[in-house]
Amino acid sequence: QSVLTQPPSVSGAPGQRVTISCTGSSSNIGAGYDVHWYQHLPGAAPKLLIYNHNDRPSGVPDRFSGSKSGTSASLAISGLQAEDEADYYCQSYDISLSGNYVFGTGTKVTVL
Amino acid sequence: QVQLQESGPGLVKPSETLSLTCTVSGGSLSTHYWSWIRQTPGKGPEWIGNIFHSGSTTYNPSLQSRVTMSVDVSKNHFSLRLRSVTAADTAVYFCARMPARWEYWFDPWGQGTLVTVSS
Repeated sequence: QSVLTQPPSVSGAPGQRVTISCTGSSSNIGAGYDVHWYQHLPGAAPKLLIYNHNDRPSGVPDRFSGSKSGTSASLAISGLQAEDEADYYCQSYDISLSGNYVFGTGTKVTVL
Repeated sequence: QVQLQESGPGLVKPSETLSLTCTVSGGSLSTHYWSWIRQTPGKGPEWIGNIFHSGSTTYNPSLQSRVTMSVDVSKNHFSLRLRSVTAADTAVYFCARMPARWEYWFDPWGQGTLVTVSS
């Protein structure tokens, strides 16, 4: 079902910077639709981290940043902290499915 | 601060109808769009549908034939019905708020409720 592809896992030591890619196509990210990112801790409600490529909701640290280029987007986490260990998902809009909000496959971030 | 909470049976028999309710606290249903999203283990989330306070709905084309969403503004809740369920519909179901039709991020989300389809 997921039309946005993410790496299954990324890892880094505390303090390091990690990036998560989100690869789409010409019917979603490549068509100019915005990309949003969520953090999901087990048993908790998913949390909006980034909206419209690189805007952060109030309360989200500026260690989290987003970018977009062509048919892909990326989430960067700098100054990695133990509390950042979670699943991360990108999300966009896809015009090929008669109007559908689509999510990424998800990436597990492990803090070594 | 708006909070959402899903409720409903955790076990549904195959071929029957899954029914869930999302209760909204700390805010009104009279603004924004309201959504259902589900996630099966090991996969990314799947958007099910949106409903506006007027009752206008938009559904995922892959589920449209089996889904009905409704809203009760007076009770501050909205609901999901998914007919003719199979084991493939076993998932954690989340409700969420979407700011506007073209501000299509989801925030906040409920914690989710696991629904298992099994006899």
